[in-house]
Amino acid sequence: EVQVVESGGDLIQPGGSLRLSCAASGFTVSSNYMSWVRQAPGKGLEWVSVTYRGGGTSYADSVKGRFTISRDNSMNTVYLQMNSLRADDTAVYYCARAPVTSSGVLTNMDVWGQGTTVTVSS
Amino acid sequence: QSALTQPPSASGSPGQSVTISCSGTSSDVGNYNYVSWYQQHPGKAPKVIIYEVSERPSGVPDRFSGSKSGNTASLTVSGLLAEDEADYYCSSYTNRNNFYVFGTGTKVTVL
Repeated sequence: EVQVVESGGDLIQPGGSLRLSCAASGFTVSSNYMSWVRQAPGKGLEWVSVTYRGGGTSYADSVKGRFTISRDNSMNTVYLQMNSLRADDTAVYYCARAPVTSSGVLTNMDVWGQGTTVTVSS
Repeated sequence: QSALTQPPSASGSPGQSVTISCSGTSSDVGNYNYVSWYQQHPGKAPKVIIYEVSERPSGVPDRFSGSKSGNTASLTVSGLLAEDEADYYCSSYTNRNNFYVFGTGTKVTVL
């Protein structure tokens, strides 16, 4: 079965750090673009970051310089390292597989996990 | 990060149709046929129901259809069922720094 499972969410104080994990099964992360999307309580979806097949990355302006996406192909897992966390980072974080065109344009997100909750509060 | 604009709510009676708009710019919806739509039930993960403007993934009923004109994309749900009551989000690739953008979301209520 093709699926991704997120973990690592927690209650963390402002300014703290947290690493989220996204374990994939049924497909290989090395052959795919993988993305993180978040949803603050009662709010809409916000794209956060993507890691490309070749290892490149992109970030939303709201997290640039604070979050780092990476992958461990041997573990078939994608990570999101979150530093300098703020209250407005509080959200459910989803990991998703992101099919792309031959020129690297992301067309949609077709496999989503159940999400992991990050709460930033003192 | 500028989100695509959707109406906050839409509604219809069972059996009727409802159409949701998604307004973008020439940096996203207007210049790329990579608009997708997601359905999200409360407490659940989003699920893609339309990709590349009008394509349906396997298993998605043909009651769901997508289209695009200029900078605006649309999702139509025909023959509304109670199970269609959910939040719907459009999204698009963007050539701006942010790479990918979601819409503001529309809550569909089946009366």
